[in-house]
Amino acid sequence: DTEVTQTPKHLVMGMTNKKSLKCEQHMGHRAMYWYKQKAKKPPELMFVYSYEKLSINESVPSRFSPECPNSSLLNLHLHALQPEDSALYLCASSQVRGALAKNIQYFGAGTRLSVL
Amino acid sequence: SQQGEEDPQALSIQEGENATMNCSYKTSINNLQWYRQNSGRGLVHLILIRSNEREKHSGRLRVTLDTSKKSSSLLITASRAADTASYFCATLPVLRMRFGAGTRLTVKP
Repeated sequence: DTEVTQTPKHLVMGMTNKKSLKCEQHMGHRAMYWYKQKAKKPPELMFVYSYEKLSINESVPSRFSPECPNSSLLNLHLHALQPEDSALYLCASSQVRGALAKNIQYFGAGTRLSVL
Repeated sequence: SQQGEEDPQALSIQEGENATMNCSYKTSINNLQWYRQNSGRGLVHLILIRSNEREKHSGRLRVTLDTSKKSSSLLITASRAADTASYFCATLPVLRMRFGAGTRLTVKP
C-alpha cells in the first residue's frame, strides 16, 4: 500500500472559522510533510515531522498549526486564515533515512482550500 | 527559495513526439528526482538519479545528469495524451526537498 490519504478533498472556510486537514499513511514512514501549492507554482514546504516530532517549520504563520498524533497521522489545524491562504495543501510521507532508493516522497491527492 | 529551475515553463507537442525538459540547480546534490503532477492532484515520483550516474532509463523516460553544469534533463519518448501534466525536478535531502518551478507539458491527441 503506497497510498497517502488526505481529507477533505475540498474545503471552503471563512476567515473566522477553525478547520483541520487530515493526512494518513500506512507505509511505516516516519517522516511526514505539509506543502502549500499555489496555481502554476511548485509545492512549497511548510512543515516536516520526523519520528512524530516537528523538525522543520519553514517560517509558517501561526494560523497554521501542525500536529502529529502518531506515526500514521498528520493534521494541519487552520484558524483565522486569510484569502491569500487559498491553495492546494499537500501531505507527503517518506522514510527518514536509508538507502538512497528510499528517499522518495509519496504524496496525497491534496485538499483544495478556499478562504472567503 | 526554489533549488531547481525548469525550462521550458510550458511545452506543447503532438502525440508521438518526444518531450524534453531541463532542470538546473544551485547547490551540490547527492541525487535528483523527477516528479509528475496531474492537474490539481498530488505528485508522483518518476525516477531518481544519483550524483555519480550520468543517465538513467525507466520505460519511456530517460534522465540525464550533468553535475559539472548542475543540470538535469527529462526526456519522454513517444508521448501520449495521458502524459499531459506538470513535471518537477527535486533535490534532496529528503527531509528538505526543494522543487523546481516545473514544466507544464501538454500532449495533443
